[in-house]
Amino acid sequence: AQSVSQHNHHVILSEAASLELGCNYSYGGTVNLFWYVQYPGQHLQLLLKYFSGDPLVKGIKGFEAEFIKSKFSFNLRKPSVQWSDTAEYFCAVGSGGYQKVTFGIGTKLQVIP
Amino acid sequence: EAQVTQNPRYLITVTGKKLTVTCSQNMNHEYMSWYRQDPGLGLRQIYYSMNVEVTDKGDVPEGYKVSRKEKRNFPLILESPSPNQTSLYFCASSPTLGVDTDTQYFGPGTRLTVL
Repeated sequence: AQSVSQHNHHVILSEAASLELGCNYSYGGTVNLFWYVQYPGQHLQLLLKYFSGDPLVKGIKGFEAEFIKSKFSFNLRKPSVQWSDTAEYFCAVGSGGYQKVTFGIGTKLQVIP
Repeated sequence: EAQVTQNPRYLITVTGKKLTVTCSQNMNHEYMSWYRQDPGLGLRQIYYSMNVEVTDKGDVPEGYKVSRKEKRNFPLILESPSPNQTSLYFCASSPTLGVDTDTQYFGPGTRLTVL
């Protein structure tokens, strides 16, 4: 069975600071990797995803993530955060439609103006 | 418009009164899933379904039932709700083939309060 670990549960940053949220997964086979964002009072929305190819994936709103297979990691980054990035971020892993999709516990990001 | 719908969006009920939260998707997705979200506990999966008539327990299935008689619908049933089932519930669907495989599309959520 696959599992996902998000190391930072609550992150507080000032505007313009750089962001990196950690995500590690465990699964022996081919994986599809995702980051979702949940703005206050809303449902989860897809931020970016990795299926294959270039391990550096770019998503919406200036976010990117890098898949490092040897480290089983898929960390989310943004060079300069804005107040509007205040949200909860979830990492998820799928196994290509063969098993359930598994989510991490989430990381709450608070950006201070 | 491609979407996942849930009803009701808000529900206040009393302990022991059976209820059903409906979930429907119009994207012909094979995979559907129910999650509950609680402060400090993140998103926890209740049940999932890989296709019609195929359902399986997630991480927190106790006190819940599901059925998948049609591809588009995946209702969540609470036979005898208890206060510890007060939570925010999300339904999601995704395809299991093609370029969108495993990409979860979420419904708007159902906020349930059990008194």
